[in-house]
Amino acid sequence: AQSVTQLGSHVSVSEGALVLLRCNYSSSVPPYLFWYVQYPNQGLQLLLKYTTGATLVKGINGFEAEFKKSETSFHLTKPSAHMSDAAEYFCAVSERDTDKLIFGTGTRLQVFP
Amino acid sequence: KAGVTQTPRYLIKTRGQQVTLSCSPISGHRSVSWYQQTPGQGLQFLFEYFSETQRNKGNFPGRFSGRQFSNSRSEMNVSTLELGDSALYLCASSLGDGTNQPQHFGDGTRLSIL
Repeated sequence: AQSVTQLGSHVSVSEGALVLLRCNYSSSVPPYLFWYVQYPNQGLQLLLKYTTGATLVKGINGFEAEFKKSETSFHLTKPSAHMSDAAEYFCAVSERDTDKLIFGTGTRLQVFP
Repeated sequence: KAGVTQTPRYLIKTRGQQVTLSCSPISGHRSVSWYQQTPGQGLQFLFEYFSETQRNKGNFPGRFSGRQFSNSRSEMNVSTLELGDSALYLCASSLGDGTNQPQHFGDGTRLSIL
């Protein structure tokens, strides 16, 4: 069965600093990979996705992620954090023939001024 | 284009009651999935409906059920509510055409069991 591991349930950065949120998946076949963000009292908003093709994926709000098959990783980065980036971030995978998403446990990002 | 709409946003029930949650997908989307979000278990897949048929199912007891109508709107029902059913229930819609287009989520229904 597929699983997703997000290292670090809480990450704190200063405004303007690099954001790095880690995600590793377990699957014998490269799945589809997603990053979602959740703000308080809201649903999930898609940041970016990897299906096939270019392994560096750019998303909304300046975020990007790189699919590394050899490391089974899909880490999320942003060069310069904004206060508005404070939220919970979820990495998710799905198999290639289903819409069912398997989520990681989430990482809460705090941004300090 | 309107997003995924879930009603109601908040609901309070007591143990033993039953509840029905509603989800209207984005126009043109034929797949609707439901997820349960709790602090302890995180985000867990409940089931997916496509063209009025359940296409995928998670590991939840039979008290959790759903259905989809011809206009792709979906409802989720939970019977004999337990305290542990307190959660945020999220609905997501997608084209469901096998191209793994991303799912779009609603803002959820927060269910509290007293």
